Amino acid sequence: GAGVSQSPRYKVAKRGQDVALRCDPISGHVSLFWYQQALGQGPEFLTYFQNEAQLDKSGLPSDRFFAERPEGSVSTLKIQRTQQEDSAVYLCASSFLAGGGDTQYFGPGTRLTVL
Amino acid sequence: GESVGLHLPTLSVQEGDNSIINCAYSNSASDYFIWYKQESGKGPQFIIDIRSNMDKRQGQRVTVLLNKTVKHLSLQIAATQPGDSAVYFCAEINYGGSQGNLIFGKGTKLSVKP
Repeated sequence: GAGVSQSPRYKVAKRGQDVALRCDPISGHVSLFWYQQALGQGPEFLTYFQNEAQLDKSGLPSDRFFAERPEGSVSTLKIQRTQQEDSAVYLCASSFLAGGGDTQYFGPGTRLTVL
Repeated sequence: GESVGLHLPTLSVQEGDNSIINCAYSNSASDYFIWYKQESGKGPQFIIDIRSNMDKRQGQRVTVLLNKTVKHLSLQIAATQPGDSAVYFCAEINYGGSQGNLIFGKGTKLSVKP
């Protein structure tokens, strides 16, 4: 596809379950970002990849959050032992250049609801 | 579905009027500013950007103004249409202090009355 895609679009998890959220960036994009968006708020940065290297994970809220991009393309955000406060929309964005120096294109997001 | 616009400031305009959405940013060292539009159930969509060495930039029906003295950014939409109804976010990047991640401001919900 031409844009950033994410799957699943909706995920409902019971508290304590592990979840994995997938992001397919635009082909050839070097930079990949994950953001978390709580209801009624702007997106907040979680982590950044330049190709396969995770250069910044300062926004990950706890060690239950883990992200990877092993081949420098598809990325997975994993949340272990989910809690109710993890309920949010998780957005992925990619950009052609390294370091976010150009337009970041967003996917539709995955809405996670933890019961 | 749920709206991302809950509890956000709202601007209501008549179709055909001009809209002005304002944003105060936080970091005087930020280099790059972007406006995004977010419709319910979708990810943010790029509208227009501006570098810190500029004070105005125009696109199709949109203009962004940057006032670095007071750390203020505005988005002007000409001849607002019903399809412009969405939540609008400003975002900033400080390349010297980050890997280029966006820092989003509080959104504004724009409602266009036909």
